[in-house]
Amino acid sequence: EVQLVESGGGLVQPGGSLRLSCAASGFIFSNYWMSWVRQAPGKGLEWVANMKPDGSEKFYVDSVKGRFTISRDNAKNSLYLQMNSLRAEDTAVYYCAKENRYYYGMDVWGQGTTVTVSS
Amino acid sequence: QSALTQPASVSGSPGQSITISCTGTSSDVGGYNYVSWYQQHPGKAPKLMIYDVSNRPSGVSNRFSGSKSGNTASLTISGLQAEDEADYYCSSYTITSTLSVVFGGGTKLTVL
Repeated sequence: EVQLVESGGGLVQPGGSLRLSCAASGFIFSNYWMSWVRQAPGKGLEWVANMKPDGSEKFYVDSVKGRFTISRDNAKNSLYLQMNSLRAEDTAVYYCAKENRYYYGMDVWGQGTTVTVSS
Repeated sequence: QSALTQPASVSGSPGQSITISCTGTSSDVGGYNYVSWYQQHPGKAPKLMIYDVSNRPSGVSNRFSGSKSGNTASLTISGLQAEDEADYYCSSYTITSTLSVVFGGGTKLTVL
């Protein structure tokens, strides 16, 4: 079964750091672009970052550039999001998503992990 | 990286058809055939319903269809069913100074 499982969310103070993980199974992880997408409470989806299969290219939404870093370990079938200098507006459910290899669309999503930035 | 524009809500009765619009610019929706649509039920992860403007992934009902004209993409749901009540999001690649992905603000579909 194709599956993505996020972990690492929690409560953190403003200015703090958190590292999210996404464990992939059921597909050849190293063949696919991967994305992080977030959803603030009661709000819509917001793409955060994505990364090429070999890790050579990474792209970010402007609001997280310089603060968040996407990375992956293809040997461990895992995707990561290092989040530094966290702000209240980063509070959201963070989803890991697999991008389809042959068309534009995120065809597999994890269940999400919740990040709360508050003092 | 401005969000794509969707109506906040639409509604329809069972059996009817509804259309949700998604308006962008020539830098995203209008510039590429890279529009996708997602369905999200409360408390659940999004589900891909349409890719590359008008194609359905395996397992998605043929009651769902997509199209595009200029800078506006559309999702049409025919033969509305109670289980279609959900939030719907469009998405597009956009290439301005760099490649990125943009979502619409979301549309709440109510089945009356």
